[in-house]
This record gives sequence, C-alpha cells and structure tokens, in this order.
Amino acid sequence: GENVEQHPSTLSVQEGDSAVIKCTYSDSASNYFPWYKQELGKGPQLIIDIRSNVGEKKDQRIAVTLNKTAKHFSLHITETQPEDSAVYFCAATSGGGADGLTFGKGTHLIIQP
Amino acid sequence: DAGITQSPRHKVTETGTPVTLRCHQTENHRYMYWYRQDPGHGLRLIHYSYGVKDTDKGEVSDGYSVSRSKTEDFLLTLESATSSQTSVYFCAITTRPGTGGGEQFFGPGTRLTVL
Repeated sequence: GENVEQHPSTLSVQEGDSAVIKCTYSDSASNYFPWYKQELGKGPQLIIDIRSNVGEKKDQRIAVTLNKTAKHFSLHITETQPEDSAVYFCAATSGGGADGLTFGKGTHLIIQP
Repeated sequence: DAGITQSPRHKVTETGTPVTLRCHQTENHRYMYWYRQDPGHGLRLIHYSYGVKDTDKGEVSDGYSVSRSKTEDFLLTLESATSSQTSVYFCAITTRPGTGGGEQFFGPGTRLTVL
C-alpha cells in the first residue's frame, strides 16, 4: 500500500518569512495529493490540493509543487502570519480517493512574532 | 464543515465496554470514512463506506466494526474497548469520488479515552 513520509516534524519560522514542508510517497499510482491544516481541537481543513497532471498550484500565499518522477510534493507558505501556526498534514491517494487517504505524520508549524 | 456532525464529542469509558460513535451528514454524500488520529501517526483509515450497507476495511480496522443503514449516518463500534483505542476519531466525506475528485472534508472529531 501507499506510504507517505513528511518532513520536518516541527518547523519554526519568523513572521513574514516563508515555510516549506516536504512529503514523499511510495505508490506510483497515486494521483491526488491534498494538504490539510489542523488547529488545536478541530478537524483537519483542506487548504490546497494538486493532481498528478499538474506540476504546481497556487492560492494566494500558499502553493504546492509536485515532482512525479521523484515522488515528492511540497507545501510552500509565503509571508507567514501568526494565524498560519497549526499542524499541517500531507496525504496521497489513487483513484480519486474513494478508498481513503494515506496521511503523513504531520508538521507543527510555529510562527515566531 | 460540509454538514458533518459527530457524537459524542468526548467520551470516557472503561476497558471491555462497548462504544459506538456516530457520524451524521446532511448533504447526502455517498462516501464516508472513519479515521483515528494519534500523536506521531497522523490520521489512519479505519473503515469506509461507499453506500448504504456497503463498507470496507482500512489500514487499522482490527477491533472496530461499522454500519451504515442510512445514507446520512455512519456508525463506528468498538465491541470491547481497549486502552490502545484511546484516540481522537474523525469522520470524513468525499464530495466527488473517482478520477478528478477526491476532496475529503472532516468532522470536528470525537475524543475517546479508554481507562
């Protein structure tokens, strides 16, 4: 089955700087890669996703890149703000995710004022 | 929140007792999922359902059963709870399963403690 590795487990950046979180996956059949943000005491919230036919996707201050050959994808957050502090999870799935997502173990992003 | 509610939100129980968690959705989605979240493990799929009375196992299904008698409700049962099942349980739905879809949306979670 799919295995997703996520790094780093904790990331501390200064407010206004950029943050990058990286994930690798093992199943070459995976074709959908979402990113979730989870705040304390809440459920994960989908913030951006990318499909295997696209190399990069941007939405305001966040972007995701995908390298299918190397089987890795990354989340980029620019101009970080205090409200970006949270735990971020990457995930992967094939076939449109009907049979569930495989998640990385999460990155705790800390924005230092 | 994609119209997903979970009940109870918090539960403390004792080892060996049965526990049922409920996920309720209001938007008639066909696919529903149960995940558990533990420190250092991310979220792991327990069971999922692709329609009324149609369910399948996920990565960590041992010790859990599910039922779906109505589109809107997906129940997760721990027949005899163990301390290793202390966790936060999340329900999710997919709005567009299949190629081109896949977005999953999560409920608020149930924190279960087994003493």
